[in-house]
Amino acid sequence: GAVVSQHPSWVICKSGTSVKIECRSLDFQATTMFWYRQFPKQSLMLMATSNEGSKATYEQGVEKDKFLINHASLTLSTLTVTSAHPEDSSFYICSARTSSTYEQYFGPGTRLTVT
Amino acid sequence: ELKVEQNPLFLSMQEGKNYTIYCNYSTTSDRLYWYRQDPGKSLESLFVLLSNGAVKQEGRLMASLDTKARLSTLHITAAVHDLSATYFCAVDSIYDYKLSFGAGTTVTVRA
Repeated sequence: GAVVSQHPSWVICKSGTSVKIECRSLDFQATTMFWYRQFPKQSLMLMATSNEGSKATYEQGVEKDKFLINHASLTLSTLTVTSAHPEDSSFYICSARTSSTYEQYFGPGTRLTVT
Repeated sequence: ELKVEQNPLFLSMQEGKNYTIYCNYSTTSDRLYWYRQDPGKSLESLFVLLSNGAVKQEGRLMASLDTKARLSTLHITAAVHDLSATYFCAVDSIYDYKLSFGAGTTVTVRA
């Protein structure tokens, strides 16, 4: 139980284009999803928190117009990196939790490379 | 703001010996998590510690929590090569469930 998937697992895009990453909870309803970014040899940094049906809450320093987050259903959240630049290249990891549990379940991650 | 400090950041282990990773956090938190990350992979949950004095063990790994000292330890017994990975501790806010991670400890086990 408590499986979270991400798609795609890796993506290469050209500078200036947009890319969408999906995060799905496969066997539970995720009232809250979190998006993290991890640069090589660094820790995970929380980018934003999204609650189903609500606007995402972004952490300080994260551009909400650049990283668009949508949590339209209880099983799907998407992160769209708009006008991507090479410095956006990173490992993006989502996690999800239900309203009845504190624990977050992590997806397998998406590696984004912007050329 | 929750701050989480791990040490050491790098740990070179000799097979068969015992080692400890330390995790200090700055403010009251209900829950302390330990994760393992292999290169290129996401996080694997190892332990969730919920109360003062909690101790959990799985194989060669044992985690403990002292909420008064705001300290958790991850003890590795008789290290083996398969334990080579990066280990993260994290705590979450009792208000919004946001996780704050330590910097991670990169463990390399050598023969």
